[in-house]
Amino acid sequence: NAGVTQTPKFRVLKTGQSMTLLCAQDMNHEYMYWYRQDPGMGLRLIHYSVGEGTTAKGEVPDGYNVSRLKKQNFLLGLESAAPSQTSVYFCASSRTRPPGDQPQHFGDGTRLSIL
Amino acid sequence: GQQLNQSPQSMFIQEGEDVSMNCTSSSIFNTWLWYKQEPGEGPVLLIALYKAGELTSNGRLTAQFGITRKDSFLNISASIPSDVGIYFCAGRHNMIKAAGNKLTFGGGTRVLVKP
Repeated sequence: NAGVTQTPKFRVLKTGQSMTLLCAQDMNHEYMYWYRQDPGMGLRLIHYSVGEGTTAKGEVPDGYNVSRLKKQNFLLGLESAAPSQTSVYFCASSRTRPPGDQPQHFGDGTRLSIL
Repeated sequence: GQQLNQSPQSMFIQEGEDVSMNCTSSSIFNTWLWYKQEPGEGPVLLIALYKAGELTSNGRLTAQFGITRKDSFLNISASIPSDVGIYFCAGRHNMIKAAGNKLTFGGGTRVLVKP
């Protein structure tokens, strides 16, 4: 069972370069999320999507863009990478309710370094 | 933004010991979740709590949803070496679809083995 798959797993960029992180889920989940994880700060929500064609800002959206053209995919873009964006990025997905709440399922992360 | 204070930030365990960690919030949550993260992987859901006062177990893990809805704790009984990892609490405020099932995460408790 694949669940949530993130590509690439590792990447090193130079300041100013652009790149796209891909998240794919095979669970037919409506909701998808992008987080960044920095030491001692837990996970912070960058952007999220409640369905195909819709996206919304999370807690730390600046410097990132997202797209949800297909239900199973959620793309995170960095238009001009900055060293402050060095982090581990996690994608997650969840079903809608009801019945009951549906917890988020996470991918294994993309480790991104900006030089 | 919302703050979840998780403590302790780190702890050392000795095999067989019981350990506890907790999360407190300045605001009320409708759902509390506890995740575990191991190196190189994404967080994995351990326990989900949906009602104030709820006490739920998953093997040697027990978590409680505080009566005030502003806190939660996680206990690990008879710890073993594979309990090592980072434990995160997460809270959710509401279930409105537009809010996208968003979570707020604590900073994590790093569990290490005593040398």
